[in-house]
Amino acid sequence: LAKTTQPISMDSYEGQEVNITCSHNNIATNDYITWYQQFPSQGPRFIIQGYKTKVTNEVASLFIPADRKSSTLSLPRVSLSDTAVYYCLVGAVSSGSARQLTFGSGTQLTVLP
Amino acid sequence: DTAVSQTPKYLVTQMGNDKSIKCEQNLGHDTMYWYKQDSKKFLKIMFSYNNKELIINETVPNRFSPKSPDKAHLNLHINSLELGDSAVYFCASSQDTAGGSYEQYFGPGTRLTVT
Repeated sequence: LAKTTQPISMDSYEGQEVNITCSHNNIATNDYITWYQQFPSQGPRFIIQGYKTKVTNEVASLFIPADRKSSTLSLPRVSLSDTAVYYCLVGAVSSGSARQLTFGSGTQLTVLP
Repeated sequence: DTAVSQTPKYLVTQMGNDKSIKCEQNLGHDTMYWYKQDSKKFLKIMFSYNNKELIINETVPNRFSPKSPDKAHLNLHINSLELGDSAVYFCASSQDTAGGSYEQYFGPGTRLTVT
């Protein structure tokens, strides 16, 4: 069962790039790494998912080193509305197969003006 | 259109009661989940169903029983509620690929308070 570790909190200023790292030392071969964003009183919202190397979409980039024991979520030019809790999730789900899904403890990102 | 919906949004009840939380998804996904988020914001998976079949059953008390009448619904029934059951419960769904990748869509949550 992959255990994940994230920083509890981070502060940044508007317009800066923010990098949040998640450690998952015993990630399994089939596991994917997924990042979610959660605002107060809402359910988590998918940001990005990757298996290895680098993945980029319209809102973020995900960097995964070759050993896959950690991953870094990169948010370019954050704004005040990016203030939220960010979770990394490690695991895999396939039809008919049981997989373990482990969320990190979450990182509270506060963007300051 | 709401993708994943849960009812009720708030649930206040007394110890010892039995309650249910309902979840529906209109995304046509194959897999649905229940998560518990405690006061410290830890998100922990409880159950997962794929095509109405249980595929993940974490160590939760057997007072918690999921029921999936069809692919679009996954309800959570809780017997003999205890104070420690107070939390926010999230339902989620995903359309899975053969390779194991997934993107989960979460509902708005049900805040359960046991007094």
